[in-house]
Amino acid sequence: KQEVTQIPAALSVPEGENLVLNCSFTDSAIYNLQWFRQDPGKGLTSLLLIQSSQREQTSGRLNASLDKSSGRSTLYIAASQPGDSATYLCAVWDYGQNFVFGPGTRLSVLP
Amino acid sequence: GAGVSQSPSNKVTEKGKDVELRCDPISGHTALYWYRQSLGQGLEFLIYFQGNSAPDKSGLPSDRFSAERTGGSVSTLTIQRTQQEDSAVYLCASSGIAALSYEQYFGPGTRLTVT
Repeated sequence: KQEVTQIPAALSVPEGENLVLNCSFTDSAIYNLQWFRQDPGKGLTSLLLIQSSQREQTSGRLNASLDKSSGRSTLYIAASQPGDSATYLCAVWDYGQNFVFGPGTRLSVLP
Repeated sequence: GAGVSQSPSNKVTEKGKDVELRCDPISGHTALYWYRQSLGQGLEFLIYFQGNSAPDKSGLPSDRFSAERTGGSVSTLTIQRTQQEDSAVYLCASSGIAALSYEQYFGPGTRLTVT
């Protein structure tokens, strides 16, 4: 059964810092991995989608990498801003046609 | 439409009653997904549709749950004989042509409370 974990569970940083969020999955037989952010009381916003054949994706200040063989992905946020404060979730589509989410990393960026 | 919409936004029901939750996907999106997020819990995948077909229904929590999609658009998630443990936020998402290849876009969710 696919399991997804995220480290750290929570992170608090001063504005302007670069930071890395980690995601691990137990079964490397995945179609893709997706990073989301969830704001309190709101739905999920898709940030980046990495297909299993890709190594990384970039969007603005965000860069996500994927190492499928080791079951890891990282989300790099450059020059963090208070508006980046949210819970960040990673999720994988696996060959069992399940979409499995990690528990999330709660990020606070302090002004 | 501009985004995924869900209705109702909030639903309070008595234990034992049936409820129907509705999802309108983004226009042109052929794949549609249902999830739930219980209080303090992570997101749980329930089912997805490619067109009107759901390849795998094993993610539904019990046989009280059912989902259908008609016309390749609107989907309804029905919970029969609701129980208190069904209380959660039910989220719907849609994506492009290939369910496993495209980014998912989420609706705001329906908050279900079973009293």
